[in-house]
Amino acid sequence: NAGVTQTPKFQVLKTGQSMTLQCAQDMNHEYMSWYRQDPGMGLRLIHYSVGAGITDQGEVPNGYNVSRSTTEDFPLRLLSAAPSQTSVYFCASSWKGQGESEAFFGQGTRLTVV
Amino acid sequence: GESVGLHLPTLSVQEGDNSIINCAYSNSASDYFIWYKQESGKGPQFIIDIRSNMDKRQGQRVTVLLNKTVKHLSLQIAATQPGDSAVYFCAESGHRPNNNDMRFGAGTRLTVKP
Repeated sequence: NAGVTQTPKFQVLKTGQSMTLQCAQDMNHEYMSWYRQDPGMGLRLIHYSVGAGITDQGEVPNGYNVSRSTTEDFPLRLLSAAPSQTSVYFCASSWKGQGESEAFFGQGTRLTVV
Repeated sequence: GESVGLHLPTLSVQEGDNSIINCAYSNSASDYFIWYKQESGKGPQFIIDIRSNMDKRQGQRVTVLLNKTVKHLSLQIAATQPGDSAVYFCAESGHRPNNNDMRFGAGTRLTVKP
């Protein structure tokens, strides 16, 4: 059982470049989220989705876009990468909203913007 | 205990001893709490959760205690093993109307000495 799969695991971007971080889950979860994790800090919510076709902003949405065309996939797009976006990104999915049930996390994508 | 900042709180215990990791939260409306474990290079993994109508919940070798009066949460690990070495995060929710908004602490690094 794969769970939550993120690709790529590592990425280096130049300032101004764009890219998409991929996230897929095979648990038929309605709820999916993207977090970023910076040194010495907890995870911060970027965007989330409560089902296909529905997305909303989290705590730190600026500079990121998401879409949810299927239940399984929830890609995160960086429109114009900035050094401040250097971080480790985690995708998560859950049966209910994360205010009600545990989240299953992917292995993370370590992004460096130079 | 947990705090937001650049330096991760650390806890070092001897193998076989019990560990207690603490977490303070500030939102009196928080009604759902989770502890996650994160090993190096991996995503967070669910350990145990508790709702605000309870003050104690036990799992396998782990116990979570909730004191709503002082807004304090703790994770107790019995007979700590080397495999328990990781960063432990508490997370809380109750930020209505966004039921998907889980707020994470900065984490505590647990090191188990053989």
